[in-house]
Amino acid sequence: AQSVTQPDIHITVSEGASLELRCNYSYGATPYLFWYVQSPGQGLQLLLKYFSGDTLVQGIKGFEAEFKRSQSSFNLRKPSVHWSDAAEYFCAVGAGNTGKLIFGQGTTLQVKP
Amino acid sequence: AAGVIQSPRHLIKEKRETATLKCYPIPRHDTVYWYQQGPGQDPQFLISFYEKMQSDKGSIPDRFSAQQFSDYHSELNMSSLELGDSALYFCASSSVRTSGSSADTQYFGPGTRLTVL
Repeated sequence: AQSVTQPDIHITVSEGASLELRCNYSYGATPYLFWYVQSPGQGLQLLLKYFSGDTLVQGIKGFEAEFKRSQSSFNLRKPSVHWSDAAEYFCAVGAGNTGKLIFGQGTTLQVKP
Repeated sequence: AAGVIQSPRHLIKEKRETATLKCYPIPRHDTVYWYQQGPGQDPQFLISFYEKMQSDKGSIPDRFSAQQFSDYHSELNMSSLELGDSALYFCASSSVRTSGSSADTQYFGPGTRLTVL
């Protein structure tokens, strides 16, 4: 069965520090992978996606992610975190013929001044 | 750019009442997905529609039903509400016909926060 695991429930980083959020997936076919960000009480905003091609994808707000098939991972990175990046981050895989999204448990990012 | 519209944004109901949530997809999007996000949880897929036909079904209770109309908007009907139905309900839309792929990017609405008392 398809699944997504985000091993880190909560991460705290200092403003200006680098960030890496981990995501591992389980999916039989070529996965379609996404990272979404959610601010408290808000909707889900797409940060970036991977469908095929270059395994390093660039997204909005300075985020990037690297697809590693051998490790079944799609980790999200940012070289320098801003206080406004504090939010909940969800990794998701598009599953089945209809593309429904299966989400990981989410990682809460806290940014220290 | 136009986004997904959901109404109402907030809804308070009593147990055993009914609720109807509405979703207006991005113009020219043909596919609608519904997700439920409980407190502190990740979004869970409920149901989806493509070209007004149900395309997939997830962990949606039998008390819930949904449909997509000719103008592509969708409604999620919830009956005999229970306390456990309190959650944030998201609608997302995508354009399968344009992209040619069922894995096209889903754009989410702001959600409807349902509180059952």
